[in-house]
Amino acid sequence: DIVMTQSPDSLAVSLGERATINCKSSQSVLYSSNNKNYLAWYQQKPGQPPRLLIYWASTRESGVPDRFSGSGSGTDFTLTISSLQAEDVAVYYCQQYYSLPFIFGPGTKVDIK
Amino acid sequence: EVQLVESGGGLVQPGGSLRLSCAASGFTFSSCAMTWVRQAPGKGLEWVSTISDNGINTYYADSVKGRFTISRDNSKNTLYLQMNSLGVEDTAIYYCARTAGGSGYLPVDYWGQGTLVTVSS
Repeated sequence: DIVMTQSPDSLAVSLGERATINCKSSQSVLYSSNNKNYLAWYQQKPGQPPRLLIYWASTRESGVPDRFSGSGSGTDFTLTISSLQAEDVAVYYCQQYYSLPFIFGPGTKVDIK
Repeated sequence: EVQLVESGGGLVQPGGSLRLSCAASGFTFSSCAMTWVRQAPGKGLEWVSTISDNGINTYYADSVKGRFTISRDNSKNTLYLQMNSLGVEDTAIYYCARTAGGSGYLPVDYWGQGTLVTVSS
């Protein structure tokens, strides 16, 4: 099984500042035949179901603000919130859908400093 | 508008069974793989099971394999999860989710509100 790790476990960022979350997979999730990274990012606010933010590691889902961006390839990925807003307080999860089981990372909690 | 509405959760004793349902609307159900994801109280997300668009291919987490069965009725736009031999470790909110295509190897792009399953004596 692919193991997903995230860092940090939590972070507090001032409003308007940048937040960076890292996700690492124990094996590459880059599929060579289509050159796509099978990696997604989700946001979960308290009391709500998760919401898809980013897929293929860097493609923003429709309706997601452009302050959210994803980057990385192979085994190392990053979710960046360029200018943190109050409504971005949430837990963020990465997930690989390259191979079964489709493991989620443990999550990173983002708060306002 | 895509809507996924779960039902069937509740309190069940250890060793018991429960069947979850998910009514889907707002999209072509028969064209999308579907997934169950669960979240234990205060914990992270755990992928449970995925079924392909035509119901032929099913995939399970090791933690539920042999105990849970995912199925779908494309004529009723409904997804199911039959859960047997439930243990306290199965206590969680169970989310029904749409996979962004017919196979399972795609992200989940819509989620239901979830249904709570509590396993306790």
